Amino acid sequence: DQQVKQNSPSLSVQEGRISILNCDYTNSMFDYFLWYKKYPAEGPTFLISISSIKDKNEDGRFTVFLNKSAKHLSLHIVPSQPGDSAVYFCAASKAAGNKLTFGGGTRVLVKP
Amino acid sequence: ETGVTQSPTHLIKTRGQQVTLRCSSQSGHNTVSWYQQALGQGPQFIFQYYREEENGRGNFPPRFSGLQFPNYSSELNVNALELDDSALYLCASSPASGTSGRDEQFFGPGTRLTVL
Repeated sequence: DQQVKQNSPSLSVQEGRISILNCDYTNSMFDYFLWYKKYPAEGPTFLISISSIKDKNEDGRFTVFLNKSAKHLSLHIVPSQPGDSAVYFCAASKAAGNKLTFGGGTRVLVKP
Repeated sequence: ETGVTQSPTHLIKTRGQQVTLRCSSQSGHNTVSWYQQALGQGPQFIFQYYREEENGRGNFPPRFSGLQFPNYSSELNVNALELDDSALYLCASSPASGTSGRDEQFFGPGTRLTVL
């Protein structure tokens, strides 16, 4: 029972363009959502989060959008840079600080 | 500010053996969570420790056990290793919920366990 899904296993984008990563969830009890980036041989690095009381959160080049009625969130990276090439995981929790349920990840390749 | 550290980096064991993985939490964090990441998948929650007590457990058998020490460092123990236990084991620390306004978990680099 996969409660958090990232349906696109990979994404290729040109440097300077927008990267859009999508994530769907099924558990309506989730109220806190996060995006992590992971390079090989490193642990996941926190990028940005959003609580269920908001529908948008922005931090520099990264913006997360939450559509609670559709149980869908997305991460926009603008502009994409070669250093953004990594695996991106979305995660959800029922309470801040509680256990995280992760999606399967999306591998992003930003081409120079 | 020291980040989350884990040891060892890599480990090779044989089926049936026991293993102990270690984690030092980030300074100021009193909550530690452990995750298992199989190849090509997202991390899966094993359990969480808060102030030396287990504070939630995922769908893992009892042969996965843990400890948290007074300095908030933690151990993950796995008994009777199986081939499917081969994975990257990640430790994450966080401040007590609600204390800092930031509730994301900070991950260590992981321990790669191979069971032969």
